[in-house]
Amino acid sequence: DTGVSQDPRHKITKRGQNVTFRCDPISEHNRLYWYRQTLGQGPEFLTYFQNEAQLEKSRLLSDRFSAERPKGSFSTLEIQRTEQGDSAMYLCALGGSYEQYFGPGTRLTVT
Amino acid sequence: GIQVEQSPPDLILQEGANSTLRCNFSDSVNNLQWFHQNPWGQLINLFYIPSGTKQNGRLSATTVATERYSLLYISSSQTTDSGVYFCAVVGAGSTSYGKLTFGQGTILTVHP
Repeated sequence: DTGVSQDPRHKITKRGQNVTFRCDPISEHNRLYWYRQTLGQGPEFLTYFQNEAQLEKSRLLSDRFSAERPKGSFSTLEIQRTEQGDSAMYLCALGGSYEQYFGPGTRLTVT
Repeated sequence: GIQVEQSPPDLILQEGANSTLRCNFSDSVNNLQWFHQNPWGQLINLFYIPSGTKQNGRLSATTVATERYSLLYISSSQTTDSGVYFCAVVGAGSTSYGKLTFGQGTILTVHP
């Protein structure tokens, strides 16, 4: 158990639809990250929250993507007007004192 | 940004064999982690090892930070060791906010 859950675990959507993923830390963590992993690649950084403040965003995060962490606990990642290229595993990670711990991920398939 | 290269890209072993996976990185790091990604996609923490040597059962890791590489050793491999092994680093730049940069991974297949 890594101390973080993600919901849903799998999502199939049609191109053009909006989707929202949720990341729930089991315990308090100041640092929360989102990563995206496409087939055959390592995860790539998307965005970082320190408590409720979004402090860094990758250029991978186009204007169709938005992330929030309203109370500094759970976080949501929304993708608007999904495209087939958005198909990937979306991973949430918590920053501990030194290490990062990853949730099980949400696998998105855009048809 | 920092670059991470892993080798070999693929590795096929018979059960019981030993193996060494390598991770090269292009700049100084504050953090280096090794992960095993299981078939369901879960990233499992193996080691936090920005420098030095650590051992955990059949697995051990060594990072030589001055020479910018890390090695993961798997001894007496088992079929359950199969999966993808990732090395990930946090560059020492002050604005990185701890974001991990991953290598491309090594796909390990262990046959019975």
